[in-house]
Amino acid sequence: GAVVSQHPSRVICKSGTSVKIECRSLDFQATTMFWYRQFPKQSLMLMATSNEGSKATYEQGVEKDKFLINHASLTLSTLTVTSAHPEDSSFYICSAILVSTDTQYFGPGTRLTVL
Amino acid sequence: DAKTTQPTSMDCAEGRAANLPCNHSTISGNEYVYWYRQIHSQGPQYIIHGLKNNETNEMASLIITEDRKSSTLILPHATLRDTAVYYCIVGDGSGNTGKLIFGQGTTLQVKP
Repeated sequence: GAVVSQHPSRVICKSGTSVKIECRSLDFQATTMFWYRQFPKQSLMLMATSNEGSKATYEQGVEKDKFLINHASLTLSTLTVTSAHPEDSSFYICSAILVSTDTQYFGPGTRLTVL
Repeated sequence: DAKTTQPTSMDCAEGRAANLPCNHSTISGNEYVYWYRQIHSQGPQYIIHGLKNNETNEMASLIITEDRKSSTLILPHATLRDTAVYYCIVGDGSGNTGKLIFGQGTTLQVKP
C-alpha cells in the first residue's frame, strides 16, 4: 500500500504558541489530502480538505483562522494550530488519496498536548 | 453524518473467521464501500474496498449484497493482532469530494 508520514509524531507546547504538523505522501503524489482530529474514545472527525495549489475547504464548525492548512506541493500538506489552547489537545491525523486506486491512505497521527 | 451502521462491538475466537457486518442503505451508485481499522493510538489502516463485486486481498474479503445496501468484512483466520476498531465507510474515492466520514465503528476483540 501507499505510505503517508506525519511529523512530528508527538508534540507538547505551551498555551498561546503555534504548532505545525507536516503530512507527506512518500511514494505517490496527492492533489488532495485531508486532516482529521480524534479525541479520546471518539471516532475521527474530518476537519478540512487540502487541495494542492488552492485554498483548503473546512468542515462546518472548524475555524479556518485557527487551523491553517497549506498544500504547497503534491506530496506535502501542513496543518498549523495557531495560538493553541488546552482544548486543542488531540490526535491529529492526515490522509492522502491515491487516485489510481480511489483509495485514501492515512498517516500515523500526531499527538498534540497543549499545557 | 456517517452513512453506515455497524454493531458497536464483537468478539471472535483466535483462529476463527471474523465476520463484521455493515449497513449502508443510502449508498449512491458511484460510492465505494471502504473498510479501515484502527489500532489504539495509530492512524487508520486501509483494509479493502469495493464498488459492486466481492473483493479479496491478502488481508480480508469483502462481500457486498446485490442491492449494495449492506456488506460484510471477513477476516478468515483472526489473530490477536486483529483486535482493533473496524470502520465501514462509503465514499466516492477521487471522483468528487473524496471525503470519508467516520462513524463509531465496530470494536473487534479477538480472544485466545
